[in-house]
Amino acid sequence: EAGVAQSPRYKIIEKRQSVAFWCNPISGHATLYWYQQILGQGPKLLIQFQNNGVVDDSQLPKDRFSAERLKGVDSTLKIQPAKLEDSAVYLCASSLVFGSGRNEQFFGPGTRLTVL
Amino acid sequence: LAKTTQPISMDSYEGQEVNITCSHNNIATNDYITWYQQFPSQGPRFIIQGYKTKVTNEVASLFIPADRKSSTLSLPRVSLSDTAVYYCLVGDSNYQLIWGAGTKLIIKP
Repeated sequence: EAGVAQSPRYKIIEKRQSVAFWCNPISGHATLYWYQQILGQGPKLLIQFQNNGVVDDSQLPKDRFSAERLKGVDSTLKIQPAKLEDSAVYLCASSLVFGSGRNEQFFGPGTRLTVL
Repeated sequence: LAKTTQPISMDSYEGQEVNITCSHNNIATNDYITWYQQFPSQGPRFIIQGYKTKVTNEVASLFIPADRKSSTLSLPRVSLSDTAVYYCLVGDSNYQLIWGAGTKLIIKP
């Protein structure tokens, strides 16, 4: 079974530039999560989708971050414009069904973003 | 927002049993407690999940007291390859996902 795919693996940009990350979840997984993980910290949930609807985006900085999940499969997370404090690893995860904490989340390898 | 608390780091030796405790206030009454393992440059990986009392699988045990305000991950007979960061994950009363800050476990030969 193929795992969660993410691209790119690494990205370096200047502050105020834009960047986009892509995630392809495990086939058949209804729930998709985007996390931000700053070095030395636990993952912070940015947004959670159930199919193509948003379940929780309470910690997404909506003035600069946006995410979509068209057709309930692939997802894109965008930052525009980027700030220095956005430097982090962005993790995508998927789970078979909806339910906070109840379901095993499968993670992709992450995208390491460096903002200069 | 609920908060979880874990020790920042722990050391142990190969062959020993390691117990890592996570405190979690304001956990949702019907939510589960999940533990993940993370190696450098990788995403977290599921270890075990439970609701109450004790759960055991092939790699770990999870102990949850009746009040569910904490949980203890138990790793039996650890090896060098168990060196990693361990996170507890709970859902709070608003069903938001709350990750601990992680416990860095170092296993020595």
